[in-house]
Amino acid sequence: NAGVTQTPKFRVLKTGQSMTLLCAQDMNHEYMYWYRQDPGMGLRLIHYSVGEGTTAKGEVPDGYNVSRLKKQNFLLGLESAAPSQTSVYFCASSGGAWSGTDTQYFGPGTRLTVL
Amino acid sequence: KNEVEQSPQNLTAQEGEFITINCSYSVGISALHWLQQHPGGGIVSLFMLSSGKKKHGRLIATINIQEKHSSLHITASHPRDSAVYICAVRPHAGGTSYGKLTFGQGTILTVHP
Repeated sequence: NAGVTQTPKFRVLKTGQSMTLLCAQDMNHEYMYWYRQDPGMGLRLIHYSVGEGTTAKGEVPDGYNVSRLKKQNFLLGLESAAPSQTSVYFCASSGGAWSGTDTQYFGPGTRLTVL
Repeated sequence: KNEVEQSPQNLTAQEGEFITINCSYSVGISALHWLQQHPGGGIVSLFMLSSGKKKHGRLIATINIQEKHSSLHITASHPRDSAVYICAVRPHAGGTSYGKLTFGQGTILTVHP
């Protein structure tokens, strides 16, 4: 089992460019999450999904879009990158309501710099 | 004010010392998590608590629901314990919370040989 993987690991964008971050999990988890981590701040939830075909806004959704067309994949898109989106992005997954636990499994992170 | 506050923000110890990291929260919760973030960036879950105490190896986590406080203890600390330790809570929700967590800022622990 690879667990949770993220692609790419590093990326540098210019202001206004777009990109998509891919998260994949092989644990058949229902719930998936995208976070950003900034210095001095805790992990903040961008968007989340509770199942294939569903998405919902988290704490800091502005400037991001997501899609979950397949259960194992959760994509995070930046349509027009801004320097304020420079951050480390983490994807996580958890089993869902039926699993009896909300332990989240994290990907290795994507370090994004927007110039 | 953050819903989840950790103290200290930075902690330096000598190998072998007993370490305590504290977490206080201001909302009603269903569960509390302790996570570890390695210097390379990976985040792993250490404990999930809803009451009492849990132990895994040299790590012990306790929670006092009435006082809205949790502690993470490391006995006989080792340089490989150097990491960021993160407290996170699952707040009570009117419906289902979908496992959403609120995170503290993290405590940076450095253990010197």
